[in-house]
Amino acid sequence: SQTIHQWPATLVQPVGSPLSLECTVEGTSNPNLYWYRQAAGRGLQLLFYSVGIGQISSEVPQNLSASRPQDRQFILSSKKLLLSDSGFYLCAWSVSKIRSGANVLTFGAGSRLTVL
Amino acid sequence: DAKTTQPNSMESNEEEPVHLPCNHSTISGTDYIHWYRQLPSQGPEYVIHGLTSNVNNRMASLAIAEDRKSSTLILHRATLRDAAVYYCILRDSHGSSNTGKLIFGQGTTLQVKP
Repeated sequence: SQTIHQWPATLVQPVGSPLSLECTVEGTSNPNLYWYRQAAGRGLQLLFYSVGIGQISSEVPQNLSASRPQDRQFILSSKKLLLSDSGFYLCAWSVSKIRSGANVLTFGAGSRLTVL
Repeated sequence: DAKTTQPNSMESNEEEPVHLPCNHSTISGTDYIHWYRQLPSQGPEYVIHGLTSNVNNRMASLAIAEDRKSSTLILHRATLRDAAVYYCILRDSHGSSNTGKLIFGQGTTLQVKP
């Protein structure tokens, strides 16, 4: 069966410090991978998605970047955190299938980031 | 993806059925209707999806209107653990893109009273 792991679960970082959140998927190959963010009291915002190694698409301009160094590894980074980067970060995966509206997303447990 | 409209919030009593509505008047013939829910402090989880026919699974039922311009998620017996934000999302199955991305709206916050 497939599993998705995300870490760290919680972190508190000072403004201007770097960030690295990691997500890995097991039990599947060539998944589509996604990073979402949920600010306090707000909805889910898609930040990045990837359909393959080294292929990253950004949905919104921001202070963050994403990388996919391996097939089942997705990393969210920042060189210098801002207060506005605080939020609940969620990684998700789905099968890679063209023209399938039935594809289901499976989410990780999330990483809660507080920038002080 | 076409837009969906949901009530901001709903209340239900424990052990009673809950009907969560979703309007999607601009749905295309190839759009799937998906429902996810997000429990407090957790990531969203898949609930159910359908295209034209009503669907049932262990979590819920999905009733799709004949013209597909609306749908209803049915929780047959609400429990306190069902208190969550429920999202109705349309997924296009047509087109050459395989990105599979989901765009979430604000959803419906369901409160379940004991």
